[in-house]
Order: sequence, then C-alpha cells, then structure tokens
Amino acid sequence: NAGVMQNPRHLVRRRGQEARLRCSPMKGHSHVYWYRQLPEEGLKFMVYLQKENIIDESGMPKERFSAEFPKEGPSILRIQQVVRGDSAAYFCASSKLTATNEKLFFGSGTQLSVL
Amino acid sequence: AQKITQTQPGMFVQEKEAVTLDCTYDTSDPSYGLFWYKQPSSGEMIFLIYQGSYDQQNATEGRYSLNFQKARKSANLVISASQLGDSAMYFCAMRGDTGGFKTIFGAGTRLFVKA
Repeated sequence: NAGVMQNPRHLVRRRGQEARLRCSPMKGHSHVYWYRQLPEEGLKFMVYLQKENIIDESGMPKERFSAEFPKEGPSILRIQQVVRGDSAAYFCASSKLTATNEKLFFGSGTQLSVL
Repeated sequence: AQKITQTQPGMFVQEKEAVTLDCTYDTSDPSYGLFWYKQPSSGEMIFLIYQGSYDQQNATEGRYSLNFQKARKSANLVISASQLGDSAMYFCAMRGDTGGFKTIFGAGTRLFVKA
C-alpha cells in the first residue's frame, strides 16, 4: 500500500532551465496539494488540484509556475526558467476527501537546488 | 483570512519531562480542523493528532494531547514523557470549510530533547 510518491528526491538545475516535479497520490486519493518549504520555515501552500482541475492556485506565483493533475498519471509541478530563489523543498500531499477532518498524507519531498 | 501562529522558534526539554508547544489560529470559518505534524531531520511530514472545532473533548494520541481552547483560539500540543526521538520540527496546521479546504501551516517549533 504505497504512500504518496514524489520524484525525483533531489533535483539540480541551472538558472534558466526547467524543473518538473512529480507526485503520485495515495491509492484512492483524488486531491493533491503542493507546498513549498524554505529551510527552517513552515510549509507554504502553493496549489490544490483534483483530477483534471485546479481548485485553488492562490499560493502559486503567476509566472513560471504551473501545475497539473491529469486524468491518468501523476501530478506535475512545473517551474520554467528557474532562478536561485526557487531552491527549496517541494512537498506534495494527498487526501481522499475534502473535509475539515481530512489529514494530509505527504510525500518525502523534492529538494530543488538551482545553481 | 486564515492564519496559524507558532511563537516558539525553538524549545528545549529534558528527557522524560512534558513539553507544551504553542499554537494560536485565526479563522472566520464556523467549522475547521486543527492538526499537528512532526518533521524529523529526515524531512518527511508525520501526522500526529487532530482536533475538530466542534469536538467537546481534547484529542489524545498516545503521548500526544492537544489542549484546545476554542475561545482563545489556541491548540497547543502537549508531549508527555519526552524521548530523544521527539527532537524534530513541529508544525501546527488548520483546515477550514471555506477557502477550498486547503490546509495552512504555522512556521513551526524546533524541539530539542536533552538526555
């Protein structure tokens, strides 16, 4: 019974390149959330997706960042033309339902380093 | 707008003693859930405990208990009989029934357990 799977675990990119982060939610979960964490800081909400729909992208920068959760396959967080300030840990979480008592199940995160 | 505040960047506790990690929140949602997560140095996010806004009793999970004071909008985590393995970052989080059911996190408290 696999948990939330994120890959890659570590990603190194040079400035200007593209970063693609993948997240497969837990089996049976159709709600995916992406968070960003800087060192010694909390998790900042970026985007909430359901299958084929973006529900809330209020935490995601308008430029260079995009997210998708297709009908088939993992959720993808895409960062175009990365800059050094994009270096952070990116966590994906999933839940089965949308309810106030629904806890999130987290992946191990992707550590993005921009050189 | 929803907000979570953790005012203790770092806390020290002696092994086998109890420790309280503070969390206050702000929301206009009539129904919401409060969560605590642990993040050890390995980076994964581990769910600890949940408290619903309408729950009459404080939540308990093993050595973890949540001191919920709704009028004060506080949801402090109490860890009893601290163990060396409790050394980690601890995040308070909230999920409301408006705003798309996204979960927001506080800045975290780093707990150090001394032998």
